[in-house]
Amino acid sequence: AQKITQTQPGMFVQEKEAVTLDCTYDTSDPSYGLFWYKQPSSGEMIFLIYQGSYDQQNATEGRYSLNFQKARKSANLVISASQLGDSAMYFCAMRGSSSNTGKLIFGQGTTLQVKP
Amino acid sequence: ETGVTQTPRHLVMGMTNKKSLKCEQHLGHNAMYWYKQSAKKPLELMFVYNFKEQTENNSVPSRFSPECPNSSHLFLHLHTLQPEDSALYLCASSQAGQEVAYEQYFGPGTRLTVT
Repeated sequence: AQKITQTQPGMFVQEKEAVTLDCTYDTSDPSYGLFWYKQPSSGEMIFLIYQGSYDQQNATEGRYSLNFQKARKSANLVISASQLGDSAMYFCAMRGSSSNTGKLIFGQGTTLQVKP
Repeated sequence: ETGVTQTPRHLVMGMTNKKSLKCEQHLGHNAMYWYKQSAKKPLELMFVYNFKEQTENNSVPSRFSPECPNSSHLFLHLHTLQPEDSALYLCASSQAGQEVAYEQYFGPGTRLTVT
């Protein structure tokens, strides 16, 4: 069975500092994709970054980077230079190659609060 | 309109009412999804449609009835709901197919309260 685990229910970070949000996964699929989404209080899920299981390099998108450690089955999100607007809930998700419906498996989420 | 839109944004309904949630995507995708997000719980996948055909029903009670008339529109028909059905209902779309890199694009959600 596929599973995503986010062990940090809540995190605080000082504005302008970096923060790491943890995500571990479990799958037996030979190929899979890992996604991070941001959900502000308005409710909409915003796609942030993607990492493929066969990608040789860690993904980066602006201030977001993904620390992908395949052997440890972890895909942590790093947000550099935090901003007040980064305060939101963050979800890690996975899509496996065995799924022919395209469904995503989501973790429980981490609430991030950025302090001024 | 761009992206994925959902209407209404907020809905309050009694347990005996019948209502429908609407989702529309303007991204040219062929897969659409309904998710339920209850307070303090992870997103739960409800239904998946690929090319207008339902390809997944995640053991959802029959009081939730989805409809996908075309690849751009997805409805969720609600009847005789229970208070525990109060949640944020999110619609998403993506390219169809087995490519693992296809991200899903979400709408803003409908916040449903069942009284």
